Amino acid sequence: GAGVSQSPSNKVTEKGKDVELRCDPISGHTALYWYRQSLGQGLEFLIYFQGNSAPDKSGLPSDRFSAERTGGSVSTLTIQRTQQEDSAVYLCASSLGSWAYSNQPQHFGDGTRLSIL
Amino acid sequence: KQEVTQIPAALSVPEGENLVLNCSFTDSAIYNLQWFRQDPGKGLTSLLLIQSSQREQTSGRLNASLDKSSGRSTLYIAASQPGDSATYLCAVRSGGSNYKLTFGKGTLLTVNP
Repeated sequence: GAGVSQSPSNKVTEKGKDVELRCDPISGHTALYWYRQSLGQGLEFLIYFQGNSAPDKSGLPSDRFSAERTGGSVSTLTIQRTQQEDSAVYLCASSLGSWAYSNQPQHFGDGTRLSIL
Repeated sequence: KQEVTQIPAALSVPEGENLVLNCSFTDSAIYNLQWFRQDPGKGLTSLLLIQSSQREQTSGRLNASLDKSSGRSTLYIAASQPGDSATYLCAVRSGGSNYKLTFGKGTLLTVNP
């Protein structure tokens, strides 16, 4: 597709359930990022993938959060045993890469709005 | 740790007015600074990216400036229109981590017809 695609656009689930969020980056973009936007807060970095390198997971808030990127393209963010404080908009972004393209902009999807009841 | 602050948090102006949004950051060792627009329920749209070696970038009615030494950037919007109403976010890519962005909390702009 032309842009970053995220699904679902909205997800409502009960506390304690697991959820999976999907991100399909722009074709050819080797770098992929997940961010979280909570009400009243700025965007918070979660995790970064670059090609086949080990991901930078330094922003994940707890071990209930994990992410993978299969085949260097689609990524899934998984939240296990969801809590109410996990309610937020989860945004995915992609870019042409890191070191060689540090001045390339990040392109964002429309996000997944996650609500934990 | 890089911190980004945006002032004001909200701004309401009449149509046609020129306006300035402010962004400040604490660590001047940045690769670039990016301004985004976010419409309600939508993702972020990149407006302008200023490299650390640049002073300003222009796109249409938008002009962004960067003063890296003082840790400041401004986004100037000329002849504002109701369609400019959105949240404007500033983000910096810092030298210590040249891939992830640190965001401000944004300025909510309302342009009244």
